Amino acid sequence: RKEVEQDPGPFNVPEGATVAFNCTYSNSASQSFFWYRQDCRKEPKLLMSVYSSGNEDGRFTAQLNRASQYISLLIRDSKLSDSATYLCVIGNTGKLIFGQGTTLQVKP
Amino acid sequence: NAGVMQNPRHLVRRRGQEARLRCSPMKGHSHVYWYRQLPEEGLKFMVYLQKENIIDESGMPKERFSAEFPKEGPSILRIQQVVRGDSAAYFCASSPLTRLAPYEQYFGPGTRLTVT
Repeated sequence: RKEVEQDPGPFNVPEGATVAFNCTYSNSASQSFFWYRQDCRKEPKLLMSVYSSGNEDGRFTAQLNRASQYISLLIRDSKLSDSATYLCVIGNTGKLIFGQGTTLQVKP
Repeated sequence: NAGVMQNPRHLVRRRGQEARLRCSPMKGHSHVYWYRQLPEEGLKFMVYLQKENIIDESGMPKERFSAEFPKEGPSILRIQQVVRGDSAAYFCASSPLTRLAPYEQYFGPGTRLTVT
């Protein structure tokens, strides 16, 4: 079983749509949680850290459920520029463990 | 504030040659990490270093690969006797590893290694 599992997609949505991505992780001792974004296999860029209390940054909302070992990312009012691969990432003792990524394509 | 810098951005080596990849962390960051992304795959952790110390090398192949982060100068990832399977994007990341933001890592643009 992979340490971090994501639906690879692709998710094809129209501009303005709301889209949700989910991710599960296997190690209950995982310490920190993130969503990164990767465009065309360039460097990953930190989108947001994820906390149990949930956190929001503009159109993006992230949630962590430690009991279910589940992380989510919600994007509201999708823009064309949101088209990218979204990486669910776990931090353990310093190193990051990446999911395979979920591809989002926002269409006009 | 300059981000993480990596060079070269593209590197072509023939089988059997050596590849040296360099990484300068963000200013104020003393922790460096190397990751590899093979074609059509996700990023995989290789090694975690602080100045003059290897903290975790659990993701490094046992042979031909080595990494260092000297007191002065950039971190170096060295691949000896490269093979076609080493062709990949190698990303370096750095972190201040503060208590307030543990493990948030910022990535450089990567070095794309092609072995012919």
